[in-house]
Amino acid sequence: DIQMTQSPSSVSASVGDKVTITCRASRAIDRWLVWYQQKPGKAPKLLIYTSSILQSGVPSRFSGSGSGTDFTLTISSLQADDSATYYCQQGDSFPYTFGQGTKLEI
Amino acid sequence: QVQLQESGPGLVKPSQTLSLTCTVSGASITSGNYYWNWIRQTAGKELEWIGRIYTTGTTNYNPSLKSRVTISPDASKNQVSLKLTSVSAADTAVYYCARLSVVEYAFDIWGQGTMVTVSS
Repeated sequence: DIQMTQSPSSVSASVGDKVTITCRASRAIDRWLVWYQQKPGKAPKLLIYTSSILQSGVPSRFSGSGSGTDFTLTISSLQADDSATYYCQQGDSFPYTFGQGTKLEI
Repeated sequence: QVQLQESGPGLVKPSQTLSLTCTVSGASITSGNYYWNWIRQTAGKELEWIGRIYTTGTTNYNPSLKSRVTISPDASKNQVSLKLTSVSAADTAVYYCARLSVVEYAFDIWGQGTMVTVSS
């Protein structure tokens, strides 16, 4: 299985800050990397797919980049509503696997 | 819009079979371009992909669960079901059904999830 490792595990920031979350795959996955946002008691929500493509309706302050094994999710100009846990997921090969999550506190 | 709704028993005894249903509205499970998946999340918040089914009936399963999992469709009810046999406490989790689009190749729509506890 491809292991997905996120860092940091948690981060605290203020409204207006810029935050970067990284995700590393245990082997190259091209650009088959997806980011989700999950709030307490809710299902994950798709933010970004194919490493950098913003899902329809997602604010443009979210952006993604990377290929191969190293990927980043950047949230510029944080809003209070961005408080959540963020997960990466690889779609390169079975079984699909997720990172352990990064909890963002605003 | 497309909605997914999981349903099934919230409590299952050890060694028994966990059975869940995902009811899809706003889209047909027999239409192309989508896979229908089951994903679970443990109390530690880890997400684990269980498996998927395509409109053709083709399935793919997580090897760690493959010997115990069956995902099947019911086109007449527009539902996808999950069966997990010989459950243990380690199978206690929130179970989600989710749609995977072949365009985005991502889980673009999720159900609200259903909590299943394995306990005697």
